Amino acid sequence: GQNIDQPTEMTATEGAIVQINCTYQTSGFNGLFWYQQHAGEAPTFLSYNVLDGLEEKGRFSSFLSRSKGYSYLLLKELQMKDSASYLCAVRDSNYQLIWGAGTKLIIKP
Amino acid sequence: GAVVSQHPSWVICKSGTSVKIECRSLDFQATTMFWYRQFPKQSLMLMATSNEGSKATYEQGVEKDKFLINHASLTLSTLTVTSAHPEDSSFYICSASDRGLSGANVLTFGAGSRLTVL
Repeated sequence: GQNIDQPTEMTATEGAIVQINCTYQTSGFNGLFWYQQHAGEAPTFLSYNVLDGLEEKGRFSSFLSRSKGYSYLLLKELQMKDSASYLCAVRDSNYQLIWGAGTKLIIKP
Repeated sequence: GAVVSQHPSWVICKSGTSVKIECRSLDFQATTMFWYRQFPKQSLMLMATSNEGSKATYEQGVEKDKFLINHASLTLSTLTVTSAHPEDSSFYICSASDRGLSGANVLTFGAGSRLTVL
């Protein structure tokens, strides 16, 4: 079966750095996405990785290792507004999106 | 960037009534739209893929006669929850894909519709 694993919840301090991991087992691979979802709102796109390596976009970076079936989202200089759920999603060989359950990130002052 | 408009944002209805949710792509044409359902503290669950001009493709376990999807134009898809019951209360989100700068088919989501069935 297809599976995406990510931690259920993480806590970090304002101004710090946090890394949210995602491991996947899917039928084929056509890209990995990270989305941010604030409580009660729809997800918003953060990043897309299809090749191995690090993609940096401002305070957020996303890393992919296809051989390990592994990705992480790195958030730097954490702000209170970064408190949200972070969803990892993988597009499989049929171009279907497989969603992780999301990681709830709690930022403390 | 791509914008998807969804309404109503929230609706309360009586058990047994039907509710229609609209999803519009405002600045691009979406031949395919996706309808998701999300229960509290759970991830997104794909309900169906809506294809313009043809029948929707439903995921296993989703009743097509209960969740009617119409995709009559390249910018509008509707989801009708027929004979709604309290267990249908959920957060329904539509999405459409538009090619982002990376060349990926990035999903853009509507704001979601929170349905409460009394």
